[in-house]
Amino acid sequence: DVKVTQSSRYLVKRTGEKVFLECVQDMDHENMFWYRQDPGLGLRLIYFSYDVKMKEKGDIPEGYSVSREKKERFSLILESASTNQTSMYLCASSPGLRNTIYFGEGSWLTVV
Amino acid sequence: GDSVTQMEGPVTLSEEAFLTINCTYTATGYPSLFWYVQYPGEGLQLLLKATKADDKGSNKGFEATYRKETTSFHLEKGSVQVSDSAVYFCALQETSGSRLTFGEGTQLTVNP
Repeated sequence: DVKVTQSSRYLVKRTGEKVFLECVQDMDHENMFWYRQDPGLGLRLIYFSYDVKMKEKGDIPEGYSVSREKKERFSLILESASTNQTSMYLCASSPGLRNTIYFGEGSWLTVV
Repeated sequence: GDSVTQMEGPVTLSEEAFLTINCTYTATGYPSLFWYVQYPGEGLQLLLKATKADDKGSNKGFEATYRKETTSFHLEKGSVQVSDSAVYFCALQETSGSRLTFGEGTQLTVNP
């Protein structure tokens, strides 16, 4: 089975803190994604990566950055957390174009 | 750009009732279509998919048919169970890439 692991399930951070959300996949997938989930809005793509050190902006990249130094790991960074970034964050991966995308269990982030 | 529209929820049914969750899409080209399910406190799991017109995806008693003429991918199940209570997301994968575009999600509650 494909395994996408998000290291932190629940986090509480203060406004202005730098926040790292880590994601690891164990299937040698080329593509990795970060989505944000909010009630009534579904999932919105923040960033994705199709190769090591490569990244593309999604629909809502403002306030976020990403890092992919190794193929299996994709990190989402909130440079200066704000309360409107309180949300559930979902990491995902896929083998390549037109392939099924597999999701992790999500990280609940609360910014106070 | 691509978009997905799901019927508004929440949906509440009694056990063994028939389920339909409507999904329509707007896209250029020939996208693949997906239904994902999210159980409470968990990430998204792939429920079923269809990659071309008239394909029928099916899994765990759920079915959906890719209708290009009506740009729809409605989810159906003949007899729901309490364990089907979850949030259901319709999504499309663009022709040229691997990213998913999601609908808003539909909360389903099945009562015994």
